[in-house]
Amino acid sequence: SQTIHQWPATLVQPVGSPLSLECTVEGTSNPNLYWYRQAAGRGLQLLFYSVGIGQISSEVPQNLSASRPQDRQFILSSKKLLLSDSGFYLCAWSRLAGGSYNEQFFGPGTRLTVL
Amino acid sequence: QKEVEQNSGPLSVPEGAIASLNCTYSDRVSQSFFWYRQYSGKSPELIMSIYSNGDKEDGRFTAQLNKASQYVSLLIRDSQPSDSATYLCAVNNQAGTALIFGKGTTLSVSS
Repeated sequence: SQTIHQWPATLVQPVGSPLSLECTVEGTSNPNLYWYRQAAGRGLQLLFYSVGIGQISSEVPQNLSASRPQDRQFILSSKKLLLSDSGFYLCAWSRLAGGSYNEQFFGPGTRLTVL
Repeated sequence: QKEVEQNSGPLSVPEGAIASLNCTYSDRVSQSFFWYRQYSGKSPELIMSIYSNGDKEDGRFTAQLNKASQYVSLLIRDSQPSDSATYLCAVNNQAGTALIFGKGTTLSVSS
């Protein structure tokens, strides 16, 4: 069966500090990978998605970046955090490379607080 | 801007009742529709997928899709206190590369 991991589970960082969140998927190969952010009072916002190693699509311009160094590893980074970066960061995976039947499965999430 | 709309709630139902959650979407070309359950402080969990007009049943859950009306719903029969959560409706984007989520409806089931 497939498993998705995220770490750390919680993080408190000062404004202006760097960020690195990691996501790994087990039990599948060539997954689509996604980063979402869920801020208080707002819906899930897609930040990045990737259909393969080194292939990243950005949905929202911001001070965040993503990388996919390995097939089942997805990393979210920032060089300088803003207060507005606080939120619940969720990694998700899906089986199909595009297409309509795009069931996505979420990891446990990282709760980030920027002070 | 493609949108998915849900009533935020809270929707309160007594234990054993039927809970009805509704969702409308703006993009007529959407083909795939999903319901996720999210407990407080936890990540969303996929509970239902539906791709064709009509009803799809899975245990106590029934998803209903009407593409002509751009409407999808989730019925929960014999509601239990453990069903108390926020339910997120999601629709695939035109390219099929990502999901667009509603803000969710909070359901409270009282015992």
